[in-house]
Amino acid sequence: AQSVTQPDIHITVSEGASLELRCNYSYGATPYLFWYVQSPGQGLQLLLKYFSGDTLVQGIKGFEAEFKRSQSSFNLRKPSVHWSDAAEYFCAVGAPEYGNKLVFGAGTILRVKS
Amino acid sequence: DTGVSQDPRHKITKRGQNVTFRCDPISEHNRLYWYRQTLGQGPEFLTYFQNEAQLEKSRLLSDRFSAERPKGSFSTLEIQRTEQGDSAMYLCASSLETLPDTQYFGPGTRLTVL
Repeated sequence: AQSVTQPDIHITVSEGASLELRCNYSYGATPYLFWYVQSPGQGLQLLLKYFSGDTLVQGIKGFEAEFKRSQSSFNLRKPSVHWSDAAEYFCAVGAPEYGNKLVFGAGTILRVKS
Repeated sequence: DTGVSQDPRHKITKRGQNVTFRCDPISEHNRLYWYRQTLGQGPEFLTYFQNEAQLEKSRLLSDRFSAERPKGSFSTLEIQRTEQGDSAMYLCASSLETLPDTQYFGPGTRLTVL
């Protein structure tokens, strides 16, 4: 079965600093990978996705993520964090062998200090 | 293009009561998903529809839960005889019928069972 691990429950960064959120997955083949962001009390907004091809993908709001097959990772990065980026970030995995459902990590809460 | 909408946004009920939630997907999307998210966790898959057919149900979806999508457009999720453990955010997502697909989420319905 698929599983997704986000090792960091909370991360605090200073405004303007760089950010990397970690995501590791457990799955035999190449899964479909997603990052979503959730503000308090809200639904999930898609930041970016990886299906195939170039392993570095660009998303909205200046985010990017890199798929590393050898490390089973799909880490999210941003070169300069803004206060409005404070939210909870979820990594998710999908695969056709498991139907179309997504399996989510437990999330990483990002705090931005000024 | 309006996004996924859910109604109500919040529901407070007493244990033992029945509740029903509605989800309206993005208009051209023929797949519709329901997820449940408890505090501090990522969303967990409950069920999904392709058009009006319910194609997969999670073991999380006990007999007290039922979902419908009668005309392949909006969907309802009903919980009978609610329990305190049903308190959660119920998220709906929709997607096009592609492989792989990209799921777009609504704002969620927050259920509190007293």
